[in-house]
Amino acid sequence: EVQLVESGGGWLQPGGSLRVSCAASGFTFSNSAMSWVRQASGKGLEWVSIISGNGAATEYADSVKGRFTISRDNSRNTLYLQMNGLKAEDTAIYFCAKGVGADCSNGCSSRIMDVWGKGTTVTVSS
Amino acid sequence: EIVLTQSPGTLSLSPGERATLSCRASRSLSSDNVAWYQQKRGQAPRLLIYGASSRATGIPDRFSGSGSGTDFVLTINRLESEDIAEYYCQQYAGLPLTFGGGTKVEIK
Repeated sequence: EVQLVESGGGWLQPGGSLRVSCAASGFTFSNSAMSWVRQASGKGLEWVSIISGNGAATEYADSVKGRFTISRDNSRNTLYLQMNGLKAEDTAIYFCAKGVGADCSNGCSSRIMDVWGKGTTVTVSS
Repeated sequence: EIVLTQSPGTLSLSPGERATLSCRASRSLSSDNVAWYQQKRGQAPRLLIYGASSRATGIPDRFSGSGSGTDFVLTINRLESEDIAEYYCQQYAGLPLTFGGGTKVEIK
């Protein structure tokens, strides 16, 4: 069974840093791009970042560029999101999602999110 | 940035009726790079449709997608109580990836 489990969420003050993780199982991790998508309470979905299957290519939403870093360890089947300079508006549930493909070399199926984790909650407040 | 506008905001229908959800893009999407997701209360989103009209694995054929260019539609035939959820469209034609604001489907 394909499964994604996020961890590492918590409460912290503005300006703080946090790293959330996503443990993957049930599929060949390196064959899939991975994304982070967040959702503030009562709001819609907001894409945050994506990383290719081999980790060589990354992209970010403007709202987090320069503050957040996505990475992956294919030997540990784990995805990470390092969040620095956190702001109140970063408060949300953070979901990791598996891409259908590894990258955009043959269409961009990597950007279709076919499996999602249950999410981890990040709260930024003073 | 490609902006997706979903309508209506809320759809209230009786069991057995057909739900028609709209998603309009701010510019034409080549290759029909649109996906639809269902999110039930307190749960993670679930992929329903990709490539505008292809059903994801395990999705009942009551769900269908159509459209091209700037206008896309998700249709739910024979609405069931388990279909109560928020539905989001997403475009993957360009970066940043963007989602529509969602349509909430309620059962009368």
